[in-house]
Amino acid sequence: ETGVTQSPTHLIKTRGQQVTLRCSSQSGHNTVSWYQQALGQGPQFIFQYYREEENGRGNFPPRFSGLQFPNYSSELNVNALELDDSALYLCASSPRQGMGTDTQYFGPGTRLTVL
Amino acid sequence: ELKVEQNPLFLSMQEGKNYTIYCNYSTTSDRLYWYRQDPGKSLESLFVLLSNGAVKQEGRLMASLDTKARLSTLHITAAVHDLSATYFCAVDPNNNNDMRFGAGTRLTVKP
Repeated sequence: ETGVTQSPTHLIKTRGQQVTLRCSSQSGHNTVSWYQQALGQGPQFIFQYYREEENGRGNFPPRFSGLQFPNYSSELNVNALELDDSALYLCASSPRQGMGTDTQYFGPGTRLTVL
Repeated sequence: ELKVEQNPLFLSMQEGKNYTIYCNYSTTSDRLYWYRQDPGKSLESLFVLLSNGAVKQEGRLMASLDTKARLSTLHITAAVHDLSATYFCAVDPNNNNDMRFGAGTRLTVKP
């Protein structure tokens, strides 16, 4: 158990719809990163939030957006869903941004299926 | 473009045998991570390697890092079935936890 939780566990949407995925970090972790993991591939970095501000973004279009809240929770929003958005979405939290030996702790993930 | 390449991508081993998984990366990174993922599960942190020459061992797994060669290895000693999983390496080029992962090595250990 990493102390990082995600909801929902599974989700089915249709093309064009919008989805919000949620993550609750460990208490005191002020950095959260989101990753997309397509079937059979490694996780791809979507973006990172640090103290409620976006702090780095991978190669994902603007229809992927996020929020981080003061209570260590965060959201990933995806608009205009496409079939290729079907994947496992992972959030990962860490105590401090890029400091020392801190590693990231991954949540269990949300499996999104777009039909 | 940053590349993180693992090989092999698929590995089938007999129990009791030794093998090494390789992770090459194309940019400077002071940190190298190894994760394990079981089917349908999230990522479990195995090792964090923070400097050139770092070596860490946990049970039958040993990881090393050569930052000059941009190479990390994960060595498996006397494999057992419980080690069957997918293993990922990842680098942190900006030192701020926006990690870049390899494609993973799917390990199957057969009795």
